[in-house]
Amino acid sequence: DAGITQSPRHKVTETGTPVTLRCHQTENHRYMYWYRQDPGHGLRLIHYSYGVKDTDKGEVSDGYSVSRSKTEDFLLTLESATSSQTSVYFCATANSISSSSYNEQFFGPGTRLTVL
Amino acid sequence: RKEVEQDPGPFNVPEGATVAFNCTYSNSASQSFFWYRQDCRKEPKLLMSVYSSGNEDGRFTAQLNRASQYISLLIRDSKLSDSATYLCVVKMSRLAFGKGNQVVVIP
Repeated sequence: DAGITQSPRHKVTETGTPVTLRCHQTENHRYMYWYRQDPGHGLRLIHYSYGVKDTDKGEVSDGYSVSRSKTEDFLLTLESATSSQTSVYFCATANSISSSSYNEQFFGPGTRLTVL
Repeated sequence: RKEVEQDPGPFNVPEGATVAFNCTYSNSASQSFFWYRQDCRKEPKLLMSVYSSGNEDGRFTAQLNRASQYISLLIRDSKLSDSATYLCVVKMSRLAFGKGNQVVVIP
């Protein structure tokens, strides 16, 4: 298994507070991703990174920001948490994103976030 | 039309039986296809890639039909340990995930 850890694994917070989730990988993969998973939806991409300091938005990026200052760490920040951001957040990594490649994405164990 | 569509089920399968399900995708330019498995409250993990000619991995068979834009997964001789949600994943400029097919294998 790819060495991907996420912290915290569980968090309960209040509406309006900032929250930062951390993803750490030991695989030296270039690409890193943040997804959220909600009942009735497939995994949805929030933001992704294609290298240190290189990030871009996914399909559900509003209310989220990311930073990647080192290859191994990818941070997701909820600037002012809302109840609609209650979800399970997964980090993933990949070492290639060629559209024709079969390189898999490896997922971290997830963070369960509850915003009250 | 959603990018990737799956019937969520659940698919209740007697142990030892065969179960099959499809996933349809909307973008004909999609080039790579996968099935991921997700156990309850766990992360998704790659089950198998889906190649144009179809492929097998033990009791699992995956097929791709580009003309009709669907992929399928067949599980033979179902085991209790096969109980999970199977996510259809289509690669375009990014990965697009279906909601998953929930499989429950019953003793």
